[in-house]
Amino acid sequence: GAVVSQHPSWVICKSGTSVKIECRSLDFQATTMFWYRQFPKQSLMLMATSNEGSKATYEQGVEKDKFLINHASLTLSTLTVTSAHPEDSSFYICSANQRSGGRNYGYTFGSGTRLTVV
Amino acid sequence: GEDVEQSLFLSVREGDSSVINCTYTDSSSTYLYWYKQEPGAGLQLLTYIFSNMDMKQDQRLTVLLNKKDKHLSLRIADTQTGDSAIYFCAEPSWGYQKVTFGTGTKLQVIP
Repeated sequence: GAVVSQHPSWVICKSGTSVKIECRSLDFQATTMFWYRQFPKQSLMLMATSNEGSKATYEQGVEKDKFLINHASLTLSTLTVTSAHPEDSSFYICSANQRSGGRNYGYTFGSGTRLTVV
Repeated sequence: GEDVEQSLFLSVREGDSSVINCTYTDSSSTYLYWYKQEPGAGLQLLTYIFSNMDMKQDQRLTVLLNKKDKHLSLRIADTQTGDSAIYFCAEPSWGYQKVTFGTGTKLQVIP
C-alpha cells in the first residue's frame, strides 16, 4: 500500500532557530500534500495544502512566512518552521493524496514529527 | 464549511463492543473515513464508506451511515486493549482538496 515517510520523528531546537520537516511519498506520486498541526488532546488542524510546482495554499490564521512549504517534486514536500519559538512546539503531521488516472486512492499520513522548542 | 463532531471519550471493557459516533454537516462528500491514532504516531486509515452505502463491515469493524441525519458510527466488536487509541472520523472536501477531521474520540479499553 501507499507509504508516506516523515522525518524527523522528533526534534528539539533552540528558540530562534529554524527546523525543516520532510514528507516523502515512497511508492506513489503525490500531486498534493497536506500539513497538519496537532495540539495535545486535540484534533488535527490543517495548516496548508502543498501542490507540486506551485505555491502552497495556507489556511486562515497560518503565517506563510513562518511556516515555509516547498513541494519541489512529486514525492517530496518540506515544512520549515522559521525562527521557532516555544509556542510552535507541537506535533506536525503530513498527508499525501494519491490520485491516478482520475481516480482518488485516498489519503496516507506520515508518522508525525514532535517539535519541541526550548 | 464542514464541521465534524465526536464525543471526546469512551471507556469499554475488553471483549465488549465499542461504538464511536460522529456527526457532520457537509453532505456532498463521496467518502467518509475513520482513522486511528496511537500515542505519538500518525494516522492510520481504518476503513471508509461510500456515501451511497448504509453499512460496511470489515472484520471487527462495522460502519453505519445515516445520511438523512448526517450521522456516522464505527462499531468495534470484541474490543481489545490494542484498540486503545484516538479515533477520528473525517470527510474530504469536494474535489478532495482537503480533509476535515472530527474532534477525535479517545477509546480506553479496560482489561
